[in-house]
Amino acid sequence: GAVVSQHPSWVICKSGTSVKIECRSLDFQATTMFWYRQFPKQSLMLMATSNEGSKATYEQGVEKDKFLINHASLTLSTLTVTSAHPEDSSFYICSASAFGRPTNYGYTFGSGTRLTVV
Amino acid sequence: ELKVEQNPLFLSMQEGKNYTIYCNYSTTSDRLYWYRQDPGKSLESLFVLLSNGAVKQEGRLMASLDTKARLSTLHITAAVHDLSATYFCAVGGTNAGKSTFGDGTTLTVKP
Repeated sequence: GAVVSQHPSWVICKSGTSVKIECRSLDFQATTMFWYRQFPKQSLMLMATSNEGSKATYEQGVEKDKFLINHASLTLSTLTVTSAHPEDSSFYICSASAFGRPTNYGYTFGSGTRLTVV
Repeated sequence: ELKVEQNPLFLSMQEGKNYTIYCNYSTTSDRLYWYRQDPGKSLESLFVLLSNGAVKQEGRLMASLDTKARLSTLHITAAVHDLSATYFCAVGGTNAGKSTFGDGTTLTVKP
């Protein structure tokens, strides 16, 4: 149980284009989803927290107009990187939580998306 | 602001040896998580520690939590090559709350 599916696993895009990453909870309802970015050999940096049906809460320094997050249902959240630039190249990981779940099992993470902007 | 410090950041050890990774955090919290990350992969949940004195073990890994000292440890017993990975501790995070991650400890186990 507690599977989070993230797609795509990797994507290469040209500068100036937009990329959408999907995060789905497959066997539970995710009331909250978190989006992280991880640069090589670094820790995870929380970008934003999204609750189903409401606007995402962005961490300080994260541009909300650049990283659009939508959490329209209890099983799907999307992150769109708009007008991507090479400095946006990174490993993006989502994680999901539902009532009771992280307490007992820890947060469930998606498999990650490696974005390369050329 | 909650700060989480792990040490060491890099650890090279021989198979069969024991070692401990430390995770210190700056403000009171009653929940701590340990995760494993293999190169190029996402995170895998290892342990969830919810109370002072909690101890959990899985195979060669044992995690403990001392909330009064704001310290968690991840002890490795008789290391094997398969344990080579980066280990993260994360603090906080209630049912809907965010966790704060340490910088990670990259463990390399050599034959």
